[in-house]
Amino acid sequence: NAGVMQNPRHLVRRRGQEARLRCSPMKGHSHVYWYRQLPEEGLKFMVYLQKENIIDESGMPKERFSAEFPKEGPSILRIQQVVRGDSAAYFCASSAGAAKTGELFFGEGSRLTVL
Amino acid sequence: GENVEQHPSTLSVQEGDSAVIKCTYSDSASNYFPWYKQELGKRPQLIIDIRSNVGEKKDQRIAVTLNKTAKHFSLHITETQPEDSAVYFCAASKGSARQLTFGSGTQLTVLP
Repeated sequence: NAGVMQNPRHLVRRRGQEARLRCSPMKGHSHVYWYRQLPEEGLKFMVYLQKENIIDESGMPKERFSAEFPKEGPSILRIQQVVRGDSAAYFCASSAGAAKTGELFFGEGSRLTVL
Repeated sequence: GENVEQHPSTLSVQEGDSAVIKCTYSDSASNYFPWYKQELGKRPQLIIDIRSNVGEKKDQRIAVTLNKTAKHFSLHITETQPEDSAVYFCAASKGSARQLTFGSGTQLTVLP
């Protein structure tokens, strides 16, 4: 059973470009969470999605950031017009369901560097 | 919203000694408290968790205690080994959701 898969693992973008980060949850998991980790800081919740639904996006910046989890395919975190402050590690996590008592399983992260 | 504070930010111990990391939370409705270990450049990995209906949980050299009245919980690592060196994060969540609010992390260094 493969774990949470994230790609790309490393992404370099110039200011103003777009970044797309992908996350495939663990098999059987239908809940996806995105967290951002700035250098030498803790993880900050960004958004919680289920298939085709955004459940909680309270941690997502109001502009330039969007997330989706389509019926088919991975969840995507999209950052438009990136700025240097977007440089961070973006971790995706999945769980079996909100009603379950299972843990969150994290992917290896996507490290975005904005030049 | 929930606020989780974690102390200390750095901790150095001699191999074989114990390490204790403490966290406080603000939302009395929080009921799930996991601890994650993150090695440099790696993903956070769950090492132990505790729910609000339990005061203490132990797994080999690792234990977590929870004081709901004081709203704080602690991680205890006994007989530390160099491979325990990592950043440790506490977290809290409430209800049926799994959005976690993380502490700021503790860099644990076990000196050989």
